[in-house]
Amino acid sequence: DIQMTQSPSFLSASVGDRVTINCKASQNINKYLDWYQQKLGEAPKLLIYNTNSLHTGIPSRFSGSGSGTDFTLTISSLQPEDVATYFCLQHNSGSWTFGGGTKLELK
Amino acid sequence: EVQLQESGPGLVKPSQSLSLTCSVTGYSITSNYWGWIRKFPGNKMEWMGYISYSGSTSYNPSLKSRISITRDTSKNQFFLQLNSVTTEDTATYYCARVLHFHFDYWGQGVMVTVSS
Repeated sequence: DIQMTQSPSFLSASVGDRVTINCKASQNINKYLDWYQQKLGEAPKLLIYNTNSLHTGIPSRFSGSGSGTDFTLTISSLQPEDVATYFCLQHNSGSWTFGGGTKLELK
Repeated sequence: EVQLQESGPGLVKPSQSLSLTCSVTGYSITSNYWGWIRKFPGNKMEWMGYISYSGSTSYNPSLKSRISITRDTSKNQFFLQLNSVTTEDTATYYCARVLHFHFDYWGQGVMVTVSS
């Protein structure tokens, strides 16, 4: 089974900050890594798919990078509405495995 | 617009079966794949399985002996059954549409507690 290690698990940042969240796979997953955002009480929302493709309607301040085993979600300028839990998801292995999640709060 | 809504009992006794329904509007379940995902207290998430446009299924190996996903195309619904539940199955259960291996539409989730 492919394991996904996400870091940090908690992040506090100020409006306008550049924020990065990382996911590390236990083996090569090529480009098959997605990022999701979940606000309190809401359904998860797809942000980025296949490492760096922005899903429809997602603001351009969100971006993804990486390959193989190491991946990063970047928010270029944090906005108040970005307060949420973020999690990564790999789909290389014929099944799906989630990262542990990162709770992002405003400082 | 594609919308999914989970429904089912919020409380299940240990050793019994958990049964949930996902009702889909705005898109036919005879297209694409449709999955179940759960989120445990503490935020860990787990993919449980999916049913395809043709009715074929695939399950997380960790659940394979206990899980069944079926559908009713006339009602545009698909279903989750998880047998022999324990307190470790307490979670929020989500259904979602799978598009090119991405979960692009999700339901709001239903919280299920396993307790006597």
